[in-house]
Amino acid sequence: DIVLTQSPDSLAVSLGERATINCKSSQSLLYSSKNKNYLAWFQQKPGQPPKLLIYWASTRESGVPDRFSGSGSGTDFTLTISSLQAEDVAVYYCHQYYTLSRTFGQGTKLEIK
Amino acid sequence: QITLKESGPTLVKPTQTLTLTCTFSGFSLSTSGVGVGWIRQPPGKALEWLALVYWDDAEHYSPSLKSRLTITKDTSKKEVVLTMTNMDPVDTGTYYCAHDTLRRSFDIWGQGTMVTVSS
Repeated sequence: DIVLTQSPDSLAVSLGERATINCKSSQSLLYSSKNKNYLAWFQQKPGQPPKLLIYWASTRESGVPDRFSGSGSGTDFTLTISSLQAEDVAVYYCHQYYTLSRTFGQGTKLEIK
Repeated sequence: QITLKESGPTLVKPTQTLTLTCTFSGFSLSTSGVGVGWIRQPPGKALEWLALVYWDDAEHYSPSLKSRLTITKDTSKKEVVLTMTNMDPVDTGTYYCAHDTLRRSFDIWGQGTMVTVSS
């Protein structure tokens, strides 16, 4: 199995400030023939199912605010929230779909400082 | 509009078999590239992928749970069924089904169904 390790486990950021969450994969998620990284980011608020934010490492899902961005390639990826809003309080998960044996990171809890 | 909804028992006893049904609308499981997956989440813990079934009948399972899981699809009824044998209290959690394509993984989720394993 591909192991995804997120850092930090929890994060407190002031409103309007930048939040950065990292995800490191135990093997490359770059499908070289397609030049795509098969890495997605999800947001999960309490009592709700996860919501897809980013796929292919950096493509924003339709309707997702542009303050959310994804970057990285190969084994190292980052989710950035450029200006934290109150409604962004949630747990964020990275997820690989490079292999048909899918895996998720352990999650990062984002709170307001 | 794609929607999915999970259904099944809320309480099962240890050693019993769990059967969950995902009923979906807004897409066809006979369309190339489309799949439905199951993911679970113990209370307060992380997401864990369980199984996937695709339009071409291909089935994929979590290696750690493969011996206990079976996923099947009924394209005409628009249902995907997951069975998990030999349930244990550690299997307690919310079980989700989700629409999948090979491009955008798990882009639409059901609301989830809570399953408690207790005698």
